[in-house]
Amino acid sequence: GENVEQHPSTLSVQEGDSAVIKCTYSDSASNYFPWYKQELGKRPQLIIDIRSNVGEKKDQRIAVTLNKTAKHFSLHITETQPEDSAVYFCAAGPPGGGNKLTFGTGTQLKVEL
Amino acid sequence: EAEVAQSPRYKITEKSQAVAFWCDPISGHATLYWYRQILGQGPELLVQFQDESVVDDSQLPKDRFSAERLKGVDSTLKIQPAELGDSAMYLCASSSGVVDTQYFGPGTRLTVL
Repeated sequence: GENVEQHPSTLSVQEGDSAVIKCTYSDSASNYFPWYKQELGKRPQLIIDIRSNVGEKKDQRIAVTLNKTAKHFSLHITETQPEDSAVYFCAAGPPGGGNKLTFGTGTQLKVEL
Repeated sequence: EAEVAQSPRYKITEKSQAVAFWCDPISGHATLYWYRQILGQGPELLVQFQDESVVDDSQLPKDRFSAERLKGVDSTLKIQPAELGDSAMYLCASSSGVVDTQYFGPGTRLTVL
């Protein structure tokens, strides 16, 4: 089955700096890659996703890049703010429907003032 | 904005007891998922429903876990008997189709003593 590895497990940045979280996946057939943000005690919420037919997607301060050859994808957050502090999960999903997501182990991001 | 509802939010039980969790997906969402999230890890899919039918329960420990979605709307996940290792967050998610975004509920945090 699919295996998703996520790094780093913790990340501390100064407010205004950029943060990058990286994930690798094992199943070359996976073609859907969402990122979820989970604040303490709250539900995971989708912040951005990408499908394998594109290499990059941006939404304001958040961007995701995908390298299918290397089987890795990354989340980039620019101009970080204290409210960006949370746990971020990457996931990979199969083609053709079914949408069985395999999640990474999460990255605890702390944005310091 | 419609959200996935779950109850109870917290459950403490003793080992060997039975527990049940309830999930009400976003109205009109045909696909429903139950995940288990152990502290410090990403969510792991337990079971996926398409309407009232199970489409994936390969990771569900069927000797003690059961799930149903009788009318294709809300769903119940049951554990009997509960074991110490079942302590975790149980998340429900729904999507409008098998390839669409998954929206998560707030989860039920289970503690087995």
